[in-house]
Amino acid sequence: EPEVTQTPSHQVTQMGQEVILRCVPISNHLYFYWYRQILGQKVEFLVSFYNNEISEKSEIFDDQFSVERPDGSNFTLKIRSTKLEDSAMYFCASSEFLAGSTDTQYFGPGTRLTVL
Amino acid sequence: DAKTTQPPSMDCAEGRAANLPCNHSTISGNEYVYWYRQIHSQGPQYIIHGLKNNETNEMASLIITEDRKSSTLILPHATLRDTAVYYCIVRVMSNDYKLSFGAGTTVTVRA
Repeated sequence: EPEVTQTPSHQVTQMGQEVILRCVPISNHLYFYWYRQILGQKVEFLVSFYNNEISEKSEIFDDQFSVERPDGSNFTLKIRSTKLEDSAMYFCASSEFLAGSTDTQYFGPGTRLTVL
Repeated sequence: DAKTTQPPSMDCAEGRAANLPCNHSTISGNEYVYWYRQIHSQGPQYIIHGLKNNETNEMASLIITEDRKSSTLILPHATLRDTAVYYCIVRVMSNDYKLSFGAGTTVTVRA
């Protein structure tokens, strides 16, 4: 069964460093998402992406964050200058475009980001 | 999106059916009920969704009341691997729509 994959599974970085989290969505999916979950808290939406553009972003997704689909298979989340409070699990999700219907979002296993 | 209310936790005996309630009294006509679960900080896993008819798949059944103000997710034969946080989410049916997760119900299946 197709699945969303994410790398790395765990990333440790120093405060102020740039990190790139990578995701490979399910191959025929066209909508991509990033969510995050701070330890012990709810899963929070960050951004959605379609047709090489951000379609929606939350207030969490400030100028330090960016997303990109650099090729036909990868979808990345970049944090330009990490802060301690960026420590969280980051989940990528993707969904298929169904004309006249809706999607179901499928999630990857997550990347645990630890900022020291 | 309509708000949902779920009990914070529940226990279930292994092999028995687990019935997880969700209240969504302000649901609109174009909003579906989705269920996801999250096993120990793994990525949320899709379970099932429905509009007004009852739905069943290989994982679970979803029973939606006639007035659509509440629903019940049924895990027919709970196993220890079903221990997870279960999220009931109401959302508009469209492509490209974020999921709003609440606190969910922590289900513990006991041997």
